[in-house]
Amino acid sequence: DIVMTQSPLSLPVTPGEPASISCRSSQSLLHGNGYNYLDWYLQKPGQSPHLLISFASNRASGVPDRFSGSGSDTDFTLKISRVEAEDVGVYYCMQALQTPPTFGQGTRLEIK
Amino acid sequence: QVQLQESGPGLVRPSETLSLICTVSGDSISSGTYYWGWIRQPPGKGLEWIGSLSYFGSTYYTASLKSRAIISVDTSKTQFSLNLGSVTAADTGVYYCARHTGYCDTAGCYNIWYFDLWGRGTRVTVSS
Repeated sequence: DIVMTQSPLSLPVTPGEPASISCRSSQSLLHGNGYNYLDWYLQKPGQSPHLLISFASNRASGVPDRFSGSGSDTDFTLKISRVEAEDVGVYYCMQALQTPPTFGQGTRLEIK
Repeated sequence: QVQLQESGPGLVRPSETLSLICTVSGDSISSGTYYWGWIRQPPGKGLEWIGSLSYFGSTYYTASLKSRAIISVDTSKTQFSLNLGSVTAADTGVYYCARHTGYCDTAGCYNIWYFDLWGRGTRVTVSS
C-alpha cells in the first residue's frame, strides 16, 4: 500500500495568517493521464470529513478560494491563504491512485 | 440533495458480527454514476477504507479485512450494508459510509478518485 506522510501534525495559526500543510507519498501519484491522484479532506470537530481538493489542485464545489492545492509526483501542499476560525480541524491527504486508498495521519489546525 | 445516514448497534461483543446499514436518500445505488463505500476511524486515529460497492454489483475490499467483511445492497437499492465478522477491540471506532467516484470494473477497483459525500458516522464499540 502507498504510505502517506503529513507534516506538521499540529499547526497553530493566527487568524488572517497563511497556513501550509505538506503531504508526501511513498510512490508517485502522477497518473499516465497527467493528473496527480491526491485529495485533501477536512474533518471539523465532531463532524465527518469532507472533500476540499481532488486531483491535487481541483477545489471541490463550495470550497472557499482561500484553499489551494499544489504539487506533483510525491510532494504535495495544501495552502490556506488567510486562516479563519472555521478552518479548525484535522486535515487529511489521501492518495487515490491505487486501491486501497490510503490517508495521511492528519494535521490538526488550531487557532492561536 | 443526496444524503447518507449510517445506523446500527453501538455495542458489539467480541467475536460477533458488526452489522451496519447506510441509507441513501435522494439517489439510487444503481443510478450508474457512483460507488458506495465504508471507511472507519479508530479512536484518536486516522481513516481506513474498508471496502466499496459498485452500481453494477461488484464489491471491493481492503486486503486486511477481506476475509471478514461483506458489503451488500438491499433490493430497494437505497440501502447498503457492512457486515464485519469476528470482531475484536481493534474494530472499535466510528464507521462512515461515503460515496465516491473512480475507475472500477468487475475485475477490480483500480483507483478511487475522491469521496465526495459522507454520512455523519456511527460509533461502534467492541466490548464484552
